[in-house]
Amino acid sequence: GAVVSQHPSRVICKSGTSVKIECRSLDFQATTMFWYRQFPKQSLMLMATSNEGSKATYEQGVEKDKFLINHASLTLSTLTVTSAHPEDSSFYICSASHGAREKLFFGSGTQLSVL
Amino acid sequence: AQKITQTQPGMFVQEKEAVTLDCTYDTSDPSYGLFWYKQPSSGEMIFLIYQGSYDQQNATEGRYSLNFQKARKSANLVISASQLGDSAMYFCAMKELGQAGTALIFGKGTTLSVSS
Repeated sequence: GAVVSQHPSRVICKSGTSVKIECRSLDFQATTMFWYRQFPKQSLMLMATSNEGSKATYEQGVEKDKFLINHASLTLSTLTVTSAHPEDSSFYICSASHGAREKLFFGSGTQLSVL
Repeated sequence: AQKITQTQPGMFVQEKEAVTLDCTYDTSDPSYGLFWYKQPSSGEMIFLIYQGSYDQQNATEGRYSLNFQKARKSANLVISASQLGDSAMYFCAMKELGQAGTALIFGKGTTLSVSS
């Protein structure tokens, strides 16, 4: 079945540094990928929709300069958290659509901890 | 705007019993898909079951069934014969299918605890 790989699974960084999270579709081409953020015991909140070859569409309240999304190829989307602060600490998870419009596959998530 | 509502923050059930997790939704798109995902403590999102808005029959996948009541806009998940490994957070989600590239929108989730 379709697989989405997300890396790293866990990252700890100092405040002020930038962190890049990768999301790859391993055996299919994903024209659209989605990035979600999840705080402990809470729901997954859509941050942005990433389309290959074009600018990402951000949800209201998500800072595009803070969360840089690049979808340069049909198999890779990256989320860069710039100048990370402790309040950015969260679980970030990507998903990609494949085949029938209802099929979505998720990465395994990245736990970001900013000290 | 689309919306998913899960009103049960937590549910408790004993092994081998059945449990129903509630989900209601709202959308103006006549074509939509309803999903249930399981999220264990590891964080991975495990797909359980899917129901399309035009599907005539309720979806079933092993021990999981979806009680789809379109007029009431509800899509409750029924887990039969609960197992200890079913303890996790469960999310109901919806995707509008009227146009390509739309995202899944999630409810707040229900934490299910299965005891022996």
